[in-house]
Amino acid sequence: QKEVEQNSGPLSVPEGAIASLNCTYSDRGSQSFFWYRQYSGKSPELIMSIYSNGDKEDGRFTAQLNKASQYVSLLIRDSQPSDSATYLCAVTPEGGYQKVTFGTGTKLQVIP
Amino acid sequence: GAGVSQSPRYKVAKRGQDVALRCDPISGHVSLFWYQQALGQGPEFLTYFQNEAQLDKSGLPSDRFFAERPEGSVSTLKIQRTQQEDSAVYLCASSPRTGPGTDTQYFGPGTRLTVL
Repeated sequence: QKEVEQNSGPLSVPEGAIASLNCTYSDRGSQSFFWYRQYSGKSPELIMSIYSNGDKEDGRFTAQLNKASQYVSLLIRDSQPSDSATYLCAVTPEGGYQKVTFGTGTKLQVIP
Repeated sequence: GAGVSQSPRYKVAKRGQDVALRCDPISGHVSLFWYQQALGQGPEFLTYFQNEAQLDKSGLPSDRFFAERPEGSVSTLKIQRTQQEDSAVYLCASSPRTGPGTDTQYFGPGTRLTVL
């Protein structure tokens, strides 16, 4: 079982719709959770971080964390073609250390 | 201010050659990470530095891989006797503090290594 699992996609949504990206992780003691966006040929950039159960909203983005289900998701409202990218879920373990384990990423395509 | 920079951006090596990849983190950043990203995959952790100390090298795939950060700033990832399976993008990231995984990691543009 991979430590961080994501559906590779592609996930296609029409412009203006809500895109829902999902991620599960295996280490129950995981402490911090991140969503990175990676455009083709570019490096990852952090778009959301979440540390406690519930929802966290930032503009059009909402991260949701459910530690009991070991599940983290990212919602993108009013999806734009510029949101088309690969979204990487990343998790850090319990303890005072920043080692990050990434999923393989979900490719999102927003259709104009 | 300047972000994380990496050089070279592209490197082509013949199998068996040694290569050195450089990372200049954001000034003052304590933590530095190296990742390997194969095509269609997420970044895979290679090694972690806190200042000049290499605290975790568990992700280095073989003893052909070696990393250093002698003065706690610039870091070099060296790959000896390169093999075709070493072809990947090598990403460097830095963050300002240590601690319980709460800091953003800022990624450099990566070095794309192709081994022929």
